[in-house]
Amino acid sequence: DTEVTQTPKHLVMGMTNKKSLKCEQHMGHRAMYWYKQKAKKPPELMFVYSYEKLSINESVPSRFSPECPNSSLLNLHLHALQPEDSALYLCASSQELGRLAVKETQYFGPGTRLLVL
Amino acid sequence: AQKITQTQPGMFVQEKEAVTLDCTYDTSDQSYGLFWYKQPSSGEMIFLIYQGSYDEQNATEGRYSLNFQKARKSANLVISASQLGDSAMYFCAMSYRGNYGGSQGNLIFGKGTKLSVKP
Repeated sequence: DTEVTQTPKHLVMGMTNKKSLKCEQHMGHRAMYWYKQKAKKPPELMFVYSYEKLSINESVPSRFSPECPNSSLLNLHLHALQPEDSALYLCASSQELGRLAVKETQYFGPGTRLLVL
Repeated sequence: AQKITQTQPGMFVQEKEAVTLDCTYDTSDQSYGLFWYKQPSSGEMIFLIYQGSYDEQNATEGRYSLNFQKARKSANLVISASQLGDSAMYFCAMSYRGNYGGSQGNLIFGKGTKLSVKP
């Protein structure tokens, strides 16, 4: 069983809606990630939080707004999305090993399947 | 620049047989990690196995083993005694220290190999 949970599992929204994706991890990890995955493609990194601070933003459009309320929670706020934003959104977490970063294993949640109409 | 290549878009294997999924990588870094993830149709990315660039022995985890050949820059996944539940997409990934100032290991993924296990 995964220790990274994501809600909702499925989301359908219109282009004018505002919605949020939620992620929670129970492993005491201090780094959390959002990925976007289109069908039949590998995941693409969107954001990284380290110790609740945004450390990486991969030039993601401002209609995606991440938030890390505490070390175990990660949100992704969605506003005015486009149909091409329809994808699987994956959350992941890792220990945050500092200089041993290349040894870090990222553990993923089950994902949220988003459809923008 | 880092790159992961998986040349097999799809593979078939008979149940109970072994299968090898290919992965080659390119990096100028001395320190890096190599990972394999399994993604069933449900969507979750499941961590399978890890190999560090300085690890001298090949990693093993149950039915999974990683055939690490550093000079050839390959990190093939071997699944022994395939089961129907092994049918999924498999991604090879590499971690590296990014240039962002952060200390997290960044991951880049290959395009994946879709494995189908036949009864």
